[in-house]
Amino acid sequence: AQRVTQPEKLLSVFKGAPVELKCNYSYSGSPELFWYVQYSRQRLQLLLRHISRESIKGFTADLNKGETSFHLKKPFAQEEDSAMYYCALSATITGNQFYFGTGTSLTVIP
Amino acid sequence: ETGVTQSPTHLIKTRGQQVTLRCSSQSGHNTVSWYQQALGQGPQFIFQYYREEENGRGNFPPRFSGLQFPNYSSELNVNALELDDSALYLCASSPPTGPNTEAFFGQGTRLTVV
Repeated sequence: AQRVTQPEKLLSVFKGAPVELKCNYSYSGSPELFWYVQYSRQRLQLLLRHISRESIKGFTADLNKGETSFHLKKPFAQEEDSAMYYCALSATITGNQFYFGTGTSLTVIP
Repeated sequence: ETGVTQSPTHLIKTRGQQVTLRCSSQSGHNTVSWYQQALGQGPQFIFQYYREEENGRGNFPPRFSGLQFPNYSSELNVNALELDDSALYLCASSPPTGPNTEAFFGQGTRLTVV
C-alpha cells in the first residue's frame, strides 16, 4: 500500500529565511512524486513534479529513493509562499491517481 | 479554455439520504478523478474514470459510485449517507497525454451530513 507522510502540520518561517517542507513516502513499486499547493481561496494546483526536475517559484524538490523522501525546499521564503502544501504520490502504471499527505500549512512572517 | 467546474458548491443532507455531485472536466480532458477531503486531512482518492469506464478505485465502499458521460463530465453518487461522509469533494481532470500529466482540480463541493 502507498503512504505519504508530512510530519509538520504547521510551519512558520521569516521572510528571506530558507524553508523546507518534509515529505516521506512508502510504496512498493515505482512512484512518481508531486507537490501541490493551495493558496488562500484558490483551488489545489500543481507546484512541481519530480520527473520534470524543474524549479517553480524558486522551489525545488529532490527525490531520494534511499530515504524515500521528497522534501520541498526554497532558499529564501517570500510572503506570497504562505499556503497549504501537499505532497502526493502516484503509481507510474496507473498515472495521475494521487495519494496525498495530510499537508503542511506554511506561514511566512514579514 | 474553461477550467474544472463542480456543482453544487455546498450541500446539506440527512443521514441515510443519497447525493449526486457533478463535475465538468476541463476542455480536452478525458480522465476525471474524485477525491474526498475531510477537515484537516489531505485529499483521499475515491476513483477515476477514463473514457466512461472506472479506471481505478481507492479504499471506499461500494455505496460510493460514479459515472462519466460521453462529453467526459462526471457524477459522484453516494448512497446511505453517513455522518463521516461530511467532507469537501474534489474533482480533478487530466488530459490524455500519459501517466504523469498534471491533474486540474475544481473548487470542490462541501457536503454536510446531519
